Amino acid sequence: DMKVTQMPRYLIKRMGENVLLECGQDMSHETMYWYRQDPGLGLQLIYISYDVDSNSEGDIPKGYRVSRKKREHFSLILDSAKTNQTSVYFCASSSGNTGQLYFGEGSKLTVL
Amino acid sequence: QQQVRQSPQSLTVWEGETAILNCSYEDSTFDYFPWYWQFPRESPALLIAIRPVSNKKEDGRFTIFFNKREKKLSLHITDSQPGDSATYFCAASSDTNAYKVIFGKGTHLHVLP
Repeated sequence: DMKVTQMPRYLIKRMGENVLLECGQDMSHETMYWYRQDPGLGLQLIYISYDVDSNSEGDIPKGYRVSRKKREHFSLILDSAKTNQTSVYFCASSSGNTGQLYFGEGSKLTVL
Repeated sequence: QQQVRQSPQSLTVWEGETAILNCSYEDSTFDYFPWYWQFPRESPALLIAIRPVSNKKEDGRFTIFFNKREKKLSLHITDSQPGDSATYFCAASSDTNAYKVIFGKGTHLHVLP
């Protein structure tokens, strides 16, 4: 079954705390993405990963870092979270450059 | 710099009417244009997509019209249904831009019964 799974689905953190968002996919897709979605701003690309340990910045990488040690798993890390990082974060995967993304269910992060 | 622009931001049509959602882009190297739809409290999902080798792509009530010269495309939804109410995102990607898929800000479509 083709599925992208995100954990946790909901998270509340205080400003300055570290945040780990995790994403897994069961399709052996090479390419994985992290986007954030804010009202009126659409989906903004944070990072893209082409395979294990092959990551590239997207359009808004500042304040974020990623880790991909296994093809099926892609993590987004916020070191010392800020209130303006309150958002819904979506992980997605695709096979090569098909342009078709499979999205996870999203992780809603609130930073107080 | 917004690479993919969508208009209108919000659109309301009556059931049975045709909804027209517009999209334009900057980068002439973009060669794949998927449209995603997103229902409230759900994640985006692929609806329909087109490559510049075609100027039209049809899938049931959904049709993409593509104008490469003007760097514009539009999504037409004929016989709109209340169940079509969602946010529609136009996106673009390019083989030469390292698999980046860039999204527009979306159009909120409301179909009234």
